[in-house]
Amino acid sequence: EPEVTQTPSHQVTQMGQEVILRCVPISNHLYFYWYRQILGQKVEFLVSFYNNEISEKSEIFDDQFSVERPDGSNFTLKIRSTKLEDSAMYFCASQWEASSYEQYFGPGTRLTVT
Amino acid sequence: AQSVSQHNHHVILSEAASLELGCNYSYGGTVNLFWYVQYPGQHLQLLLKYFSGDPLVKGIKGFEAEFIKSKFSFNLRKPSVQWSDTAEYFCAVNADNSGYALNFGKGTSLLVTP
Repeated sequence: EPEVTQTPSHQVTQMGQEVILRCVPISNHLYFYWYRQILGQKVEFLVSFYNNEISEKSEIFDDQFSVERPDGSNFTLKIRSTKLEDSAMYFCASQWEASSYEQYFGPGTRLTVT
Repeated sequence: AQSVSQHNHHVILSEAASLELGCNYSYGGTVNLFWYVQYPGQHLQLLLKYFSGDPLVKGIKGFEAEFIKSKFSFNLRKPSVQWSDTAEYFCAVNADNSGYALNFGKGTSLLVTP
């Protein structure tokens, strides 16, 4: 069964550094998402992406975040200057079509900012 | 702003016991409702979903959920749990005014003892 994959599984970075989290969505899916879960808190929506542009974003997704689909298979989340509070599990999800509303999640990348 | 509440944060049951996990949401318009499960070390997986029609929906692995519009609830049930149901369970809501983003509850950790 096709799966969403994410790399790396764990990323440790120093405050102020840039990080790029990578995701490979399921190949025929059209909608892509990033969510995050800070330890002990709920999963929070960050951004959705469709047709090579952001379709929706939350208040969390400020100017330090960006997303890209550079090559038709990868979907990346960049954090320009990481803060301690960016430490969280970041989940990528993909969805085939709008009306299915069924998002398939990757295993997550645990980001630790020191 | 819409919110999703899961009342039970930690539940411990013996095998064969019945399960009911509560989920309430605050939004007066049309909603799509989901239950996701995360088994230890695995990614979020969709258990079941409700869009319209019969308010009692059946999902995988013997789970079902009932949408009660008047109570803004979507509780998850299983008549007889197994040890393999040990996992984290997340209720999620998509409101018709919020694109396709999922709004998650904080999750309920279920431990099933032999």
